[in-house]
Amino acid sequence: DTAVSQTPKYLVTQMGNDKSIKCEQNLGHDTMYWYKQDSKKFLKIMFSYNNKELIINETVPNRFSPKSPDKAHLNLHINSLELGDSAVYFCASSPGPGNQPQHFGDGTRLSIL
Amino acid sequence: QKEVEQNSGPLSVPEGAIASLNCTYSDRGSQSFFWYRQYSGKSPELIMFIYSNGDKEDGRFTAQLNKASQYVSLLIRDSQPSDSATYLCAVNAGGSYIPTFGRGTSLIVHP
Repeated sequence: DTAVSQTPKYLVTQMGNDKSIKCEQNLGHDTMYWYKQDSKKFLKIMFSYNNKELIINETVPNRFSPKSPDKAHLNLHINSLELGDSAVYFCASSPGPGNQPQHFGDGTRLSIL
Repeated sequence: QKEVEQNSGPLSVPEGAIASLNCTYSDRGSQSFFWYRQYSGKSPELIMFIYSNGDKEDGRFTAQLNKASQYVSLLIRDSQPSDSATYLCAVNAGGSYIPTFGRGTSLIVHP
């Protein structure tokens, strides 16, 4: 049973398109996260939700919009994709916010042509 | 600005040796410290976490925290080629929801 699952695993698309990435966790955790890992492997937090409420919104272009329909799901929609958006996007969850270890999904590799 | 520093490596050790990975952090109020392992092309996987000064052992892994000197280390005893990966240090400041990750240290264990 996959604890944190993301779809799709790979996403290849053209500049200017709109795309979504979905994430689901079956761990019963209250908190979910989106991270971006660039080509230099730096893992940077983008957003976090706790019980469907946004608690972290880092300096991210407003083309990125997260949505949490319930505490087990956190989706990421990206409008008007740009070349610089190419990266691996990881979803993660933790029992609660703050000082908790995180469980990561397998990642979505986004490539912009 | 909260910073977490790691030597990017690669750190190369022979099989069976002890690998020592270090991480320093800038925020003196930091309270939680995590080590994640990331194999190439895979997602980060939690190895250890530590909240209190001192050592915490789990199998071949030992995390060492020294808050006065603001560093946290990960020791891997009896290193195996399967330990070859990038090790990410993550630090949560007190009261912060935001973990700050270091850029990771690449470890290579050669037979």
